[in-house]
Amino acid sequence: GAGVSQTPSNKVTEKGKYVELRCDPISGHTALYWYRQSLGQGPEFLIYFQGTGAADDSGLPNDRFFAVRPEGSVSTLKIQRTERGDSAVYLCASSLRGDENEQYFGPGTRLTVT
Amino acid sequence: AQSVTQLDSQVPVFEEAPVELRCNYSSSVSVYLFWYVQYPNQGLQLLLKYLSGSTLVKVINGFEAEFNKSQTSFHLRKPSVHISDTAEYFCAVTFQGGSEKLVFGKGTKLTVNP
Repeated sequence: GAGVSQTPSNKVTEKGKYVELRCDPISGHTALYWYRQSLGQGPEFLIYFQGTGAADDSGLPNDRFFAVRPEGSVSTLKIQRTERGDSAVYLCASSLRGDENEQYFGPGTRLTVT
Repeated sequence: AQSVTQLDSQVPVFEEAPVELRCNYSSSVSVYLFWYVQYPNQGLQLLLKYLSGSTLVKVINGFEAEFNKSQTSFHLRKPSVHISDTAEYFCAVTFQGGSEKLVFGKGTKLTVNP
Protein backbone atom coordinates (compact mmCIF):
# COMPACT_ATOMS: atom_id res chain seq x y z
CA GLY A 1 0.00 0.00 0.00
CA ALA A 2 0.98 3.63 -0.28
CA GLY A 3 3.20 5.10 2.39
CA VAL A 4 3.26 8.60 3.82
CA SER A 5 3.65 11.19 1.08
CA GLN A 6 4.76 14.79 1.37
CA THR A 7 4.59 17.64 -1.09
CA PRO A 8 6.51 19.44 -2.32
CA SER A 9 9.74 17.50 -2.02
CA ASN A 10 11.71 20.73 -2.23
CA LYS A 11 10.66 24.32 -1.55
CA VAL A 12 12.79 27.42 -1.97
CA THR A 13 11.33 30.65 -0.69
CA GLU A 14 12.45 34.13 0.16
CA LYS A 15 12.76 35.42 3.69
CA GLY A 16 9.45 36.83 4.87
CA LYS A 17 7.26 34.73 2.60
CA TYR A 18 4.52 32.31 3.64
CA VAL A 19 4.78 28.57 2.90
CA GLU A 20 2.56 25.54 3.21
CA LEU A 21 3.81 21.97 3.42
CA ARG A 22 1.44 19.06 2.88
CA CYS A 23 1.38 15.57 4.36
CA ASP A 24 -0.76 12.63 3.24
CA PRO A 25 -0.66 9.92 5.91
CA ILE A 26 -1.17 6.22 5.42
CA SER A 27 -4.87 5.54 4.92
CA GLY A 28 -6.57 4.75 8.20
CA HIS A 29 -3.83 6.10 10.43
CA THR A 30 -5.41 8.28 13.08
CA ALA A 31 -2.22 9.78 14.48
CA LEU A 32 -0.06 12.24 12.52
CA TYR A 33 3.19 13.90 13.56
CA TRP A 34 5.38 16.69 12.22
CA TYR A 35 9.10 16.83 12.89
CA ARG A 36 11.88 19.13 11.71
CA GLN A 37 15.39 17.95 10.94
CA SER A 38 18.17 20.49 10.69
CA LEU A 39 21.52 19.65 9.16
CA GLY A 40 23.54 17.32 11.37
CA GLN A 41 20.73 16.88 13.89
CA GLY A 42 18.11 14.29 14.65
CA PRO A 43 14.46 15.05 13.95
CA GLU A 44 12.80 17.38 16.46
CA PHE A 45 9.13 17.06 17.32
CA LEU A 46 6.81 19.88 16.29
CA ILE A 47 3.19 18.78 16.67
CA TYR A 48 1.04 15.66 17.03
CA PHE A 49 -2.55 15.17 15.86
CA GLN A 50 -4.94 12.51 17.04
CA GLY A 51 -7.77 12.71 14.55
CA THR A 52 -8.55 16.34 13.76
CA GLY A 53 -7.25 17.84 16.97
CA ALA A 54 -3.73 18.79 17.97
CA ALA A 55 -3.02 16.58 20.97
CA ASP A 56 0.42 18.08 21.58
CA ASP A 57 1.79 21.23 19.92
CA SER A 58 4.54 21.81 22.45
CA GLY A 59 7.28 21.55 19.81
CA LEU A 60 6.14 24.44 17.62
CA PRO A 61 8.97 26.98 17.98
CA ASN A 62 6.82 30.13 17.85
CA ASP A 63 3.51 31.51 16.61
CA ARG A 64 4.74 31.73 13.01
CA PHE A 65 4.21 27.97 12.83
CA PHE A 66 0.74 26.47 12.60
CA ALA A 67 -0.64 23.13 11.47
CA VAL A 68 -4.10 21.86 10.63
CA ARG A 69 -5.76 18.53 9.93
CA PRO A 70 -9.37 19.49 9.25
CA GLU A 71 -10.75 16.11 8.19
CA GLY A 72 -8.50 13.85 10.19
CA SER A 73 -6.42 12.78 7.20
CA VAL A 74 -4.26 15.24 5.22
CA SER A 75 -2.33 17.78 7.26
CA THR A 76 -0.80 21.12 6.30
CA LEU A 77 2.07 22.78 8.13
CA LYS A 78 2.00 26.53 7.64
CA ILE A 79 4.92 28.87 8.25
CA GLN A 80 4.41 32.63 8.18
CA ARG A 81 7.12 35.28 7.68
CA THR A 82 9.77 32.65 7.02
CA GLU A 83 13.27 33.18 8.36
CA ARG A 84 16.58 31.69 7.21
CA GLY A 85 16.68 29.65 10.41
CA ASP A 86 13.54 27.82 9.29
CA SER A 87 15.57 26.06 6.59
CA ALA A 88 15.42 22.32 7.33
CA VAL A 89 13.82 19.08 6.23
CA TYR A 90 10.26 18.85 7.50
CA LEU A 91 9.18 15.28 8.16
CA CYS A 92 5.71 13.90 8.57
CA ALA A 93 4.88 10.55 10.17
CA SER A 94 1.69 8.65 10.83
CA SER A 95 0.71 5.76 13.03
CA LEU A 96 -2.29 3.59 13.74
CA ARG A 97 -3.33 4.29 17.30
CA GLY A 98 -2.70 1.15 19.25
CA ASP A 99 0.03 -0.01 16.89
CA GLU A 100 2.56 0.12 19.70
CA ASN A 101 3.70 3.58 18.69
CA GLU A 102 5.32 2.57 15.39
CA GLN A 103 5.52 5.74 13.32
CA TYR A 104 5.93 5.58 9.55
CA PHE A 105 7.82 8.48 8.04
CA GLY A 106 7.41 10.27 4.75
CA PRO A 107 10.38 11.34 2.59
CA GLY A 108 10.27 14.90 3.88
CA THR A 109 10.09 18.38 2.39
CA ARG A 110 13.39 20.24 2.16
CA LEU A 111 12.68 23.92 2.86
CA THR A 112 15.29 26.50 1.96
CA VAL A 113 14.75 30.12 2.95
CA THR A 114 16.99 32.53 1.06
CA ALA B 1 14.36 16.90 31.04
CA GLN B 2 13.95 13.88 28.81
CA SER B 3 16.73 13.41 26.28
CA VAL B 4 18.60 10.94 24.10
CA THR B 5 22.36 10.92 23.65
CA GLN B 6 24.19 9.17 20.85
CA LEU B 7 27.79 9.26 21.89
CA ASP B 8 29.38 8.85 18.46
CA SER B 9 28.54 11.11 15.54
CA GLN B 10 30.55 9.01 13.06
CA VAL B 11 31.64 5.39 13.14
CA PRO B 12 33.85 4.06 10.32
CA VAL B 13 34.38 0.30 10.16
CA PHE B 14 35.61 -2.28 7.71
CA GLU B 15 33.29 -4.77 6.06
CA GLU B 16 32.64 -7.91 8.14
CA ALA B 17 33.80 -6.21 11.33
CA PRO B 18 31.50 -5.97 14.37
CA VAL B 19 29.97 -2.65 15.28
CA GLU B 20 28.24 -1.08 18.28
CA LEU B 21 26.35 2.21 18.09
CA ARG B 22 25.74 3.65 21.52
CA CYS B 23 22.57 5.25 22.84
CA ASN B 24 21.72 6.54 26.30
CA TYR B 25 18.54 8.21 27.43
CA SER B 26 17.40 10.29 30.34
CA SER B 27 13.87 9.95 31.67
CA SER B 28 11.98 9.96 34.94
CA VAL B 29 9.27 7.68 33.52
CA SER B 30 9.26 4.39 31.67
CA VAL B 31 10.12 4.49 27.99
CA TYR B 32 9.68 2.72 24.70
CA LEU B 33 12.89 2.58 22.66
CA PHE B 34 13.52 2.60 18.93
CA TRP B 35 16.30 2.56 16.37
CA TYR B 36 15.58 4.17 13.01
CA VAL B 37 17.85 3.98 9.95
CA GLN B 38 18.17 6.49 7.13
CA TYR B 39 19.91 5.22 4.01
CA PRO B 40 21.41 7.78 1.62
CA ASN B 41 18.65 9.75 -0.12
CA GLN B 42 15.89 7.79 1.60
CA GLY B 43 13.45 8.43 4.44
CA LEU B 44 13.58 7.18 8.01
CA GLN B 45 12.78 3.50 8.47
CA LEU B 46 12.16 1.65 11.71
CA LEU B 47 14.93 -0.86 12.35
CA LEU B 48 13.85 -2.29 15.69
CA LYS B 49 11.97 -1.41 18.85
CA TYR B 50 11.72 -2.34 22.50
CA LEU B 51 8.33 -2.04 24.17
CA SER B 52 8.40 -4.70 26.90
CA GLY B 53 9.43 -8.26 27.59
CA SER B 54 12.85 -9.62 26.66
CA THR B 55 15.46 -6.90 26.88
CA LEU B 56 17.34 -8.22 23.83
CA VAL B 57 15.69 -7.29 20.56
CA LYS B 58 16.86 -8.92 17.35
CA VAL B 59 15.85 -8.36 13.75
CA ILE B 60 16.24 -10.46 10.66
CA ASN B 61 19.10 -8.49 9.09
CA GLY B 62 21.46 -9.28 11.97
CA PHE B 63 21.08 -6.13 14.04
CA GLU B 64 20.23 -6.39 17.71
CA ALA B 65 19.83 -3.99 20.61
CA GLU B 66 19.70 -4.56 24.34
CA PHE B 67 17.72 -2.48 26.78
CA ASN B 68 19.63 -1.89 30.00
CA LYS B 69 17.41 -0.12 32.48
CA SER B 70 20.06 0.39 35.14
CA GLN B 71 22.40 2.05 32.65
CA THR B 72 19.55 3.72 30.72
CA SER B 73 21.06 2.45 27.48
CA PHE B 74 19.86 0.85 24.26
CA HIS B 75 23.00 0.14 22.24
CA LEU B 76 22.72 -1.23 18.71
CA ARG B 77 25.05 -4.02 17.62
CA LYS B 78 25.81 -6.12 14.60
CA PRO B 79 28.44 -8.89 14.63
CA SER B 80 29.43 -8.49 10.97
CA VAL B 81 28.56 -5.44 8.87
CA HIS B 82 28.10 -5.14 5.11
CA ILE B 83 28.76 -2.26 2.76
CA SER B 84 24.99 -1.90 2.44
CA ASP B 85 24.70 -1.05 6.16
CA THR B 86 26.22 2.35 5.44
CA ALA B 87 23.59 4.78 6.68
CA GLU B 88 22.71 7.16 9.48
CA TYR B 89 21.22 5.54 12.57
CA PHE B 90 18.97 7.35 15.00
CA CYS B 91 18.03 6.24 18.49
CA ALA B 92 14.66 7.47 19.70
CA VAL B 93 12.34 7.16 22.70
CA THR B 94 8.75 7.78 23.57
CA PHE B 95 7.68 8.18 27.15
CA GLN B 96 4.95 5.99 28.53
CA GLY B 97 1.94 8.04 29.45
CA GLY B 98 3.09 10.88 27.23
CA SER B 99 1.95 12.20 23.87
CA GLU B 100 3.65 9.50 21.77
CA LYS B 101 6.09 12.00 20.28
CA LEU B 102 9.51 10.58 19.49
CA VAL B 103 12.58 12.20 21.00
CA PHE B 104 15.59 11.51 18.80
CA GLY B 105 19.30 11.50 19.32
CA LYS B 106 21.52 13.41 16.93
CA GLY B 107 22.33 10.32 14.91
CA THR B 108 25.39 8.20 14.18
CA LYS B 109 26.76 8.01 10.66
CA LEU B 110 27.96 4.46 10.06
CA THR B 111 30.34 4.08 7.13
CA VAL B 112 31.34 0.56 6.13
CA ASN B 113 34.51 0.44 4.05
CA PRO B 114 35.67 -2.44 1.86
